[in-house]
Amino acid sequence: SQQGEEDPQALSIQEGENATMNCSYKTSINNLQWYRQNSGRGLVHLILIRSNEREKHSGRLRVTLDTSKKSSSLLITASRAADTASYFCALSGGGYNKLIFGAGTRLAVHP
Amino acid sequence: EAGVTQSPTHLIKTRGQQATLRCSPISGHTSVYWYQQALGLGLQFLLWYDEGEERNRGNFPPRFSGRQFPNYSSELNVNALELEDSALYLCASSLSFRTVGEQYFGPGTRLTVT
Repeated sequence: SQQGEEDPQALSIQEGENATMNCSYKTSINNLQWYRQNSGRGLVHLILIRSNEREKHSGRLRVTLDTSKKSSSLLITASRAADTASYFCALSGGGYNKLIFGAGTRLAVHP
Repeated sequence: EAGVTQSPTHLIKTRGQQATLRCSPISGHTSVYWYQQALGLGLQFLLWYDEGEERNRGNFPPRFSGRQFPNYSSELNVNALELEDSALYLCASSLSFRTVGEQYFGPGTRLTVT
C-alpha cells in the first residue's frame, strides 16, 4: 500500500516545546505534503517537499525527507496552543494527482 | 482571493435517498478532487476531475459519481445512501493536472445518513 503511516498517533506537549511527527511509506513518490486539520474541518496545506529535496523550512516548520528510508518528518518548533490540530502526511505519485493520506497525528499543545 | 467553497455545510439524509454536494474551486484552478473522511477510516480519495473530465476515481462503488462544469465547479452525487456514507466530504482544487502540486481544501460538507 502506498498509504503513509504516521507516528505517533497522538502527541501532547507544553507550549514552547518542539513537536516531531513522522511519516513512513512503502512505494516511490513524486512529492510528499503535510497538511493540518483543525477540529474536523478543511485541511490547510503546510509544506510540499519533492522527492529530490531533503529538507524544507517554512516559518516554525521544518520538513525532512529520506527517500532511501521512505520516511519524512515534520518538526514544529516553539509550539503554541494554536498549533493544536491533526497533522497528516499525503503522498503523491504514480502519475495521478490524487493524494494518499496517512492516518494523522493528533497534536495537543497545552498552555 | 476566495478559497475553495463547499455547500451545504451540513446535510442530513435518510438511508436510500440521494445527496448532492457542491464545490467551487479557487479561481484559475482546473482540477477538483473529492475526498471522504469517515470516522475510523481516515481520508480516502474519491474522485478527480480536470477540464471537465473524470481523471481518476478511488475504490468506491458506482453510486458515488460526480461531474465538473465548464466553470470548473463540481458536484458529487451519492445515490442510495447507506449509513456508512456518513462522513465529512472534502473538496480540493489545484492548478492543471499537468503540474503536480499543492491541493487547497474547502471546509467540507458533513453528511449524516440516518
